[in-house]
Amino acid sequence: GENVEQHPSTLSVQEGDSAVIKCTYSDSASNYFPWYKQELGKGPQLIIDIRSNVGEKKDQRIAVTLNKTAKHFSLHITETQPEDSAVYFCAAKWGRPGTASKLTFGTGTRLQVTL
Amino acid sequence: EPEVTQTPSHQVTQMGQEVILRCVPISNHLYFYWYRQILGQKVEFLVSFYNNEISEKSEIFDDQFSVERPDGSNFTLKIRSTKLEDSAMYFCAGGDRENTEAFFGQGTRLTVV
Repeated sequence: GENVEQHPSTLSVQEGDSAVIKCTYSDSASNYFPWYKQELGKGPQLIIDIRSNVGEKKDQRIAVTLNKTAKHFSLHITETQPEDSAVYFCAAKWGRPGTASKLTFGTGTRLQVTL
Repeated sequence: EPEVTQTPSHQVTQMGQEVILRCVPISNHLYFYWYRQILGQKVEFLVSFYNNEISEKSEIFDDQFSVERPDGSNFTLKIRSTKLEDSAMYFCAGGDRENTEAFFGQGTRLTVV
């Protein structure tokens, strides 16, 4: 089955700096890669996702890149703000039409943005 | 903004008892999922639902668990004969786009004592 590795486990950056979180996956059939932000006591919140037919996607201060050959994908947050502090999870799945297939999550990165 | 609603927010139960966790999905969603997160650990898949039937289930989702849609819209996750290791946050999720967990609920914290 799919296995997703995520690094680093903790990341501390100064406000205004960039943050990068990296994930690798094992199943070459995986074709959908979402990123979630989880704040304390809340459920995961989808912040950006990318499908395997695209190499990069950007939404304001966040961007995701995908390297299918190397089987890794990354989350980039620019101009970090204190409210970006949270735990971030990457995930991967092989999304098949007509089924609700499982998502495999990484182990999470605790991002702390300091003033 | 629409949201997935889960009740109760916190459930404490004695070992061996049965619990029912409830989820009200967003009305136009077609894909539904249950996940759990043991404290400090990653989110784990339990079961998914599409077209009024179970689509996929994990090895965790054994005879102890069942999922139902009692009124055609809401979902329940039943855990029979709870064990200490069932203590976790249980999340319901759904999506309207093809096979995506676009929205997660706030979760039910289950504590088995």
